[in-house]
Amino acid sequence: NAGVTQTPKFQVLKTGQSMTLQCAQDMNHNSMYWYRQDPGMGLRLIYYSASEGTTDKGEVPNGYNVSRLNKREFSLRLESAAPSQTSVYFCAGRDGGLAGQYEQYFGPGTRLTVT
Amino acid sequence: QKEVEQNSGPLSVPEGAIASLNCTYSDRGSQSFFWYRQYSGKSPELIMFIYSNGDKEDGRFTAQLNKASQYVSLLIRDSQPSDSATYLCAVTWNFNKFYFGSGTKLNVKP
Repeated sequence: NAGVTQTPKFQVLKTGQSMTLQCAQDMNHNSMYWYRQDPGMGLRLIYYSASEGTTDKGEVPNGYNVSRLNKREFSLRLESAAPSQTSVYFCAGRDGGLAGQYEQYFGPGTRLTVT
Repeated sequence: QKEVEQNSGPLSVPEGAIASLNCTYSDRGSQSFFWYRQYSGKSPELIMFIYSNGDKEDGRFTAQLNKASQYVSLLIRDSQPSDSATYLCAVTWNFNKFYFGSGTKLNVKP
């Protein structure tokens, strides 16, 4: 099992450019999440998908859109990148439900720089 | 605004000592609490979770939760240099939204 995978690993964008960060999991997770991690600020939730076909805003959704393409894939799109979106982006998956399955499994991250 | 506060550190302890990491949270409705370890340049990995008041032990790790005082702590006994990492506290009230602290950097000196 590959677990949670993310592409690309690194990306440099110019202000105003768009791009999509890809996330895929083969762990049969129901819930998937996108976080950003800035130096000294911990992880902040951008969007989440509690189940296939649903998405909802997290703590910092402005400037981003998401698509839960199917149960395996959850993508994050930046329509017009800004320097403030320079960060490390993590995708995570979780089995879902309230009983057991507490753990979020994180992908390796995408380091994005916007100049 | 749900806040999770941690001392950024670094917290330095000698090898073999007990490391004590603390976390406070603002939302009294928070239900479950998590400790993640993150090595530099890597993704977070879960160490422990706790949802009932009191202590929960797993090997060298003990999580302590006090909902009345709104704090959760992590004790690491017999600290090893391999425990040197940033420790993230996270809370949730509905398992949809998770709120993370900024992390405490731990250095275990040989």
